[in-house]
Amino acid sequence: DAKTTQPPSMDCAEGRAANLPCNHSTISGNEYVYWYRQIHSQGPQYIIHGLKNNETNEMASLIITEDRKSSTLILPHATLRDTAVYYCIVRVLQGAQKLVFGQGTRLTINP
Amino acid sequence: DAGVIQSPRHEVTEMGQEVTLRCKPISGHNSLFWYRQTMMRGLELLIYFNNNVPIDDSGMPEDRFSAKMPNASFSTLKIQPSEPRDSAVYFCASSFGHSNTEAFFGQGTRLTVV
Repeated sequence: DAKTTQPPSMDCAEGRAANLPCNHSTISGNEYVYWYRQIHSQGPQYIIHGLKNNETNEMASLIITEDRKSSTLILPHATLRDTAVYYCIVRVLQGAQKLVFGQGTRLTINP
Repeated sequence: DAGVIQSPRHEVTEMGQEVTLRCKPISGHNSLFWYRQTMMRGLELLIYFNNNVPIDDSGMPEDRFSAKMPNASFSTLKIQPSEPRDSAVYFCASSFGHSNTEAFFGQGTRLTVV
């Protein structure tokens, strides 16, 4: 029951902004968009989440379209350490909810 | 807090043996997740608990797999008997279930069944 669609892979030059897209056309009104990433051999790491407004933290920015059917994760100045698999997940905020990962986008930052 | 702690980090066992993986969630978290990751199938959710109660175990592959959470600070995932196709990295994660802001993952247990 895949709720999100992401490109399997992307490349970005070091120092440039990395823009990772995600489609979630069936998102419900109470579902948030979450982003995680997994660096090789490590457990996934939370990046950011949002409902409908754009969000920014020390790691990234999240841009959600007005109809909420898609979003973009932005890493403003990508470094080699940002090479990882990035997962976009939709999930209700409250209550006991499962956290299901899709295939994600493998982002490679090139020197 | 030391984060989510999993043990052992690596486990090599022979086919047919019982394997027990352990997880200590972050103190105060009341949701706990077990995942399995392979190259072919990606990151699969096996089971998750809320307040020590299993909520959804539909991802558990078969009866050889069982998971328990006897208290808020400890969970186990057991495979009996183990098979070579169980070889994978198993992750445990915890979160504060009422807000679900983020889940924290352990470093994983790499299981090899020979």
